[in-house]
Amino acid sequence: DAGVIQSPRHEVTEMGQEVTLRCKPISGHDYLFWYRQTMMRGLELLIYFNNNVPIDDSGMPEDRFSAKMPNASFSTLKIQPSEPRDSAVYFCASSLEGTQYFGPGTRLLVL
Amino acid sequence: GENVEQHPSTLSVQEGDSAVIKCTYSDSASNYFPWYKQELGKRPQLIIDIRSNVGEKKDQRIAVTLNKTAKHFSLHITETQPEDSAVYFCAAARWGKLQFGAGTQVVVTP
Repeated sequence: DAGVIQSPRHEVTEMGQEVTLRCKPISGHDYLFWYRQTMMRGLELLIYFNNNVPIDDSGMPEDRFSAKMPNASFSTLKIQPSEPRDSAVYFCASSLEGTQYFGPGTRLLVL
Repeated sequence: GENVEQHPSTLSVQEGDSAVIKCTYSDSASNYFPWYKQELGKRPQLIIDIRSNVGEKKDQRIAVTLNKTAKHFSLHITETQPEDSAVYFCAAARWGKLQFGAGTQVVVTP
């Protein structure tokens, strides 16, 4: 198994632009999580899905952030419009029976 | 909701010595307690986990203990090596959602 796959690995964009981050979970896993990591705030849970259904999006910072999971093998996290304070590493993780496995992350820089 | 506190925030040990990181949690219904290691610029990686029906688990130089009554759990690394230098996160969960501690920066000096 290739593990959790994320793309792109690095993204540099200008303030106001739309950013889309992508994630392919491990096959057979029924939970998918989106996290954001910064030095100041540590590892924050943004949203998670169970069987493609959003369960808890209370960590999504504001309406500029949205996430979808159209099927069991794909999820997106979109930021529109992006702001410099969104600069962070965004991790996707998937799990089965509680154990979470993280993807390599997307390092986002908003100028 | 769940709240996880982790101590210390930084830990410096001499190579060969032991390292201990402690975490407390608030939700008595939490039943799963993983530990992750994150090296600089890399993803968090699971190193060991324990479930609430077990008091202790060991994997080579790493061990985790759980005290459900006191709601705390600890990570023990013995015979530390330079490659153990990283940030370690504890977490507590029920129903799949993990609440992470703030992390411990471990530095192993030769």
